[in-house]
Amino acid sequence: AQTVTQSQPEMSVQEAETVTLSCTYDTSESDYYLFWYKQPPSRQMILVIRQEAYKQQNATENRFSVNFQKAAKSFSLKISDSQLGDAAMYFCAYIPRSNDYKLSFGAGTTVTVRA
Amino acid sequence: DGGITQSPKYLFRKEGQNVTLSCEQNLNHDAMYWYRQDPGQGLRLIYYSQIVNDFQKGDIAEGYSVSREKKESFPLTVTSAQKNPTAFYLCASSAPGPGANVLTFGAGSRLTVL
Repeated sequence: AQTVTQSQPEMSVQEAETVTLSCTYDTSESDYYLFWYKQPPSRQMILVIRQEAYKQQNATENRFSVNFQKAAKSFSLKISDSQLGDAAMYFCAYIPRSNDYKLSFGAGTTVTVRA
Repeated sequence: DGGITQSPKYLFRKEGQNVTLSCEQNLNHDAMYWYRQDPGQGLRLIYYSQIVNDFQKGDIAEGYSVSREKKESFPLTVTSAQKNPTAFYLCASSAPGPGANVLTFGAGSRLTVL
């Protein structure tokens, strides 16, 4: 069964604009972590941002921020002031604290940045 | 610089042949992982190892084997039993402690079966 769902296979954004990527997940756990990873054309996976479920404050990393809605099991990523270097595939991922070796990934969203 | 080295970057195999993908890390991480990436399916866990001489099956272990004889190394063998081995393979590692679930990835190996 799919634990992490990314419903947008592709998104396009104009340079300097904002784009939001959606992610929902299914879990019965109360304590877990959520991540967004970026995979540029080089295919080297890079951590973008991490959110701990027991923290209500949304995580931010420079131009990247999340909207974590625990009750709705939603974890969207907002990229502000989009740059050409943001073009990549973005993966949402989930891991329960009870088994922090089995990270589950969504299918990914390809982001294209238009100059 | 510390990191994960995967080799080879590209590999071609004939049907019926076993092939081994190398993964070496100099990050002093305890845990190592192998993921398979197919278009439209994200990453799926093949095997993971928490410590030397110990490893566990992930979600799609059939047709694969691993060993963990050294902390730095976690090679993956794709056997002839793997029905559809053509894919992109990613190795990762993680440190113990609070950051244990943050993975550092290698650059990947692309396997094509001819």
